[in-house]
Amino acid sequence: SSELTQDPAVSVALGQTVRITCQGDSLRNYYASWYQQKPGQAPVLVIYGKNNRPSGIPDRFSGSSSGNTASLTIAGTQAEDEAVYYCKSRDSSGNPWMFGGGTKVTVL
Amino acid sequence: QEQLEESGGGVVQPGRSLRLSCAASRFTFNTYAMHWVRQAPGKGLEWVAVISHDGGNKYHADSVQGRFTISRDNSKNTMYLEMKSLRPEDTAVYYCARERIDYDGFDIWGQGTMVTVSS
Repeated sequence: SSELTQDPAVSVALGQTVRITCQGDSLRNYYASWYQQKPGQAPVLVIYGKNNRPSGIPDRFSGSSSGNTASLTIAGTQAEDEAVYYCKSRDSSGNPWMFGGGTKVTVL
Repeated sequence: QEQLEESGGGVVQPGRSLRLSCAASRFTFNTYAMHWVRQAPGKGLEWVAVISHDGGNKYHADSVQGRFTISRDNSKNTMYLEMKSLRPEDTAVYYCARERIDYDGFDIWGQGTMVTVSS
């Protein structure tokens, strides 16, 4: 079955831009969605579809995709953006939905 | 405010059963597909199961296939996860989540319920 690969961790200086990537064959056919999870809390959807933000998600969050790679970009990163970010996608083989392993974003 | 609330978690011995519930409020429950997602302690998210808006279609992850069953009662605005033959590796926080109608995205999540499988 397919899988989604994310870097385990990334750090970013306060106010700078960070890009988180997610790689997988399924991303050639399906959009990724992105979730933010802070310690002890449920995940929160931040990006879905081509590049859509749910109501209440700041516009510093954006998504993009090329080939087998989806990306989540946080521009002007704030301290409250420190969290683990997961990508998720559909899959045409194996389990119909799957998550990446998560990327922990540390704001310096 | 649209809301999901899980219940039914607890400590259970290996091989036993447990049923989780997910109660929905303040949205039209019967128009949305619903999912269960779990997270083992210190680990990432794992998709577990999905049920269509009318309960006619269901899919389960390979890791729980044949042991877990997802269902829903739209008259009660509630979804369930029946878990049988539980294993220690099923220990996790179990979340229910609503799938958006237009695009793939789980836009509403419950707070989660902890299931611990231990003797």
